Amino acid sequence: AQTVTQSQPEMSVQEAETVTLSCTYDTSESNYYLFWYKQPPSRQMILVIRQEAYKQQNATENRFSVNFQKAAKSFSLKISDSQLGDTAMYFCAFMKKGGTSYGKLTFGQGTILTVHP
Amino acid sequence: KAGVTQTPRYLIKTRGQQVTLSCSPISGHRSVSWYQQTPGQGLQFLFEYFSETQRNKGNFPGRFSGRQFSNSRSEMNVSTLELGDSALYLCASSLGSVPEAFFGQGTRLTVV
Repeated sequence: AQTVTQSQPEMSVQEAETVTLSCTYDTSESNYYLFWYKQPPSRQMILVIRQEAYKQQNATENRFSVNFQKAAKSFSLKISDSQLGDTAMYFCAFMKKGGTSYGKLTFGQGTILTVHP
Repeated sequence: KAGVTQTPRYLIKTRGQQVTLSCSPISGHRSVSWYQQTPGQGLQFLFEYFSETQRNKGNFPGRFSGRQFSNSRSEMNVSTLELGDSALYLCASSLGSVPEAFFGQGTRLTVV
């Protein structure tokens, strides 16, 4: 079984600054995906970024980037130039790759991020 | 393209009753997954249906069940409701052959 741990229940950052959210995971699988999802007050989960375990290069999506350390089983999210709209709960999630594994995400407990003006 | 639609958005039920929640996936998506979100337990996977068959199942009691129809719409049913079933229930749809999943806005169930 996989576990995902987010050790920061809450974080805050000033607008335009950079913040990093931490995530560690435990798995015996070698092929998998890692995700960061954002859940704003509207409650709808939005995919922020995805990383494939076999890819060494860290994924980047505009202001969002990850630091993927496979050996350490660490997957942090960096948000640059934080905006008020980034205020949300952020979830780290794990999915095994392949076949019948698609469709099952294992989530961490989440980190509430507040961006202050 | 329309997104994932969950109905109803809010529901209040009495302990002991049963409830059915509905999820209409994005057109063309064949996989629907269900998750329960509570402050104490976080986000937990309930089950996933792909082409009308349950493909994955989480660790929930048999009171929680689901099904998927030929048009990929899915329903989940909770029988003999308990106070602890109060939660936000999220559904996600995907093609089923790739990892990206798209979530609905959820159904907030309150059991009194």
